[in-house]
Amino acid sequence: DGGITQSPKYLFRKEGQNVTLSCEQNLNHDAMYWYRQDPGQGLRLIYYSQIVNDFQKGDIAEGYSVSREKKESFPLTVTSAQKNPTAFYLCATRTGRNEQFFGPGTRLTVL
Amino acid sequence: SQQGEEDPQALSIQEGENATMNCSYKTSINNLQWYRQNSGRGLVHLILIRSNEREKHSGRLRVTLDTSKKSSSLLITASRAADTASYFCATDEYNNNDMRFGAGTRLTVKP
Repeated sequence: DGGITQSPKYLFRKEGQNVTLSCEQNLNHDAMYWYRQDPGQGLRLIYYSQIVNDFQKGDIAEGYSVSREKKESFPLTVTSAQKNPTAFYLCATRTGRNEQFFGPGTRLTVL
Repeated sequence: SQQGEEDPQALSIQEGENATMNCSYKTSINNLQWYRQNSGRGLVHLILIRSNEREKHSGRLRVTLDTSKKSSSLLITASRAADTASYFCATDEYNNNDMRFGAGTRLTVKP
């Protein structure tokens, strides 16, 4: 899992609530990514950021928001507009050689 | 949208046998990467092959790339029970800062 931490490991949310997933890295990588993984499925890109104060929507950005105020941090907020948020969320960074390093993930469950 | 598609979706073999997984993609790429994921964990980078390379080795791993067919294969030789995991290919596309993952191959190696 390298120098990427995600917290919490497990998160439970009531319907209608916003929740924020934390992703912190000490690898000094510029690019950071958020993916969603559903059971038995691959990864789908939610948002990514190439540099501080800049981020781009991925394929499934609706119902999610991000910020990139610091190089080390790329938090993801799952809003009440996301109708089916139960999933495994993975944060990653990207090296100059285009390899990605992943955090251990956060499993979000909507009650 | 997902770029890579792995085949087969699931593979079950005996310890000591070789395992071959395939990946097909749709657009021009800078490189293709293979990742491994143990259940409920983040992904771990295995190997990267550039678009101008045809074959690459790393330990018991052998990756091939055929850009004319837009396909890649991952061969794990002399498999071990500890190789049991899901394996994903990811493509790094031209003029794009994100990476696209396939749905993965679930490999089970029986002792």
